[in-house]
Amino acid sequence: DAKTTQPPSMDCAEGRAANLPCNHSTISGNEYVYWYRQIHSQGPQYIIHGLKNNETNEMASLIITEDRKSSTLILPHATLRDTAVYYCIAVNYNTGNQFYFGTGTSLTVIP
Amino acid sequence: GAVVSQHPSWVICKSGTSVKIECRSLDFQATTMFWYRQFPKQSLMLMATSNEGSKATYEQGVEKDKFLINHASLTLSTLTVTSAHPEDSSFYICSVAGTGGQYFGPGTRLTVT
Repeated sequence: DAKTTQPPSMDCAEGRAANLPCNHSTISGNEYVYWYRQIHSQGPQYIIHGLKNNETNEMASLIITEDRKSSTLILPHATLRDTAVYYCIAVNYNTGNQFYFGTGTSLTVIP
Repeated sequence: GAVVSQHPSWVICKSGTSVKIECRSLDFQATTMFWYRQFPKQSLMLMATSNEGSKATYEQGVEKDKFLINHASLTLSTLTVTSAHPEDSSFYICSVAGTGGQYFGPGTRLTVT
């Protein structure tokens, strides 16, 4: 599975958009990009996923570059409850649907 | 998405004893479940893939005789930490493979004294 790299930490002002980048330059055509977040001492929570096209749901938007080598998770109006560690994961369903987590980005939303 | 529970949410045991952690899929028939371990300030590490009715597949470096996994039904997988030692103290999280991704349980905090 493709390795992903993310900045270790970011801050965002409450009410502003949080843009979290992820690099997955070795991603294969079969690999989906998944985003999860983990609030301290809880299980990870699903946010969004995509293959090639940009995606949007009630939580966030996912922007995937045309070459698929990177993506950005956008939380449109960050709240204090969005403070968490965000993980970007590349998943290949052809080889099994295992998740190999990277180090993630610790997002702190500041009042 | 699937609703996943774990029991217990936390457990303290003495060194040398065994501890069983249950992972239940409450509203979804889970053919495949996963077990992860997370040390403080670190990311989740996949330990094993658990398939209903067959032997679990362990990741490299994970001792299968120490971490016994049983997935006897479509709603329950168990992880037994045998002869636990203080270095096994960790946060253990299970997940269910569902449509569109994995759904995670709330985790079990194990402390071995």
